[in-house]
Amino acid sequence: DVKVTQSSRYLVKRTGEKVFLECVQDMDHENMFWYRQDPGLGLRLIYFSYDVKMKEKGDIPEGYSVSREKKERFSLILESASTNQTSMYLCASRDRYQETQYFGPGTRLLVL
Amino acid sequence: DAKTTQPPSMDCAEGRAANLPCNHSTISGNEYVYWYRQIHSQGPQYIIHGLKNNETNEMASLIITEDRKSSTLILPHATLRDTAVYYCIVRAFTGRRALTFGSGTRLQVQP
Repeated sequence: DVKVTQSSRYLVKRTGEKVFLECVQDMDHENMFWYRQDPGLGLRLIYFSYDVKMKEKGDIPEGYSVSREKKERFSLILESASTNQTSMYLCASRDRYQETQYFGPGTRLLVL
Repeated sequence: DAKTTQPPSMDCAEGRAANLPCNHSTISGNEYVYWYRQIHSQGPQYIIHGLKNNETNEMASLIITEDRKSSTLILPHATLRDTAVYYCIVRAFTGRRALTFGSGTRLQVQP
């Protein structure tokens, strides 16, 4: 069974803190994604990684960075959290020859 | 991606089949029909996909019309845990492109 896990389901941070969100997949997928989901705005892509150490900016990369040192792990970093980064963060992975994406359970981040 | 149209909401009685329709009249020959769902406060979940033949897996069945302009997702015996927003997406294999959802159908399974 496919499995994508995220390090936290709920997280509360203060403005200016550095925040790490981690995602791990056990399907040996090459492609991994970080999205955020907000009411009325749908899914928006933050960053995409197509292989280890390889990344591409998505639609809204400002204020975020990513790290992919190992194939199974894709980390999202908020360098200095701000209140407008309060959101649901979703990680997904995909085999590079398939279109289907498999999502983690999501991390609901609240920045105060 | 081809545009899809889904009803905004549907109700279904527990234990009965839930039939969720999707119109995609501008679908291209190389585009697949995908279904995902999202239960409240959880990540989206892949359900099933198909090109032109009907498909079935442990979760659902997908019926695609012969002209491929519409499809129906069938949950054969809906349970309360199937209450979710269901998204129909039409797309070809894109390489690296992000997934986008429309507004979907909010399915409420009633006890």
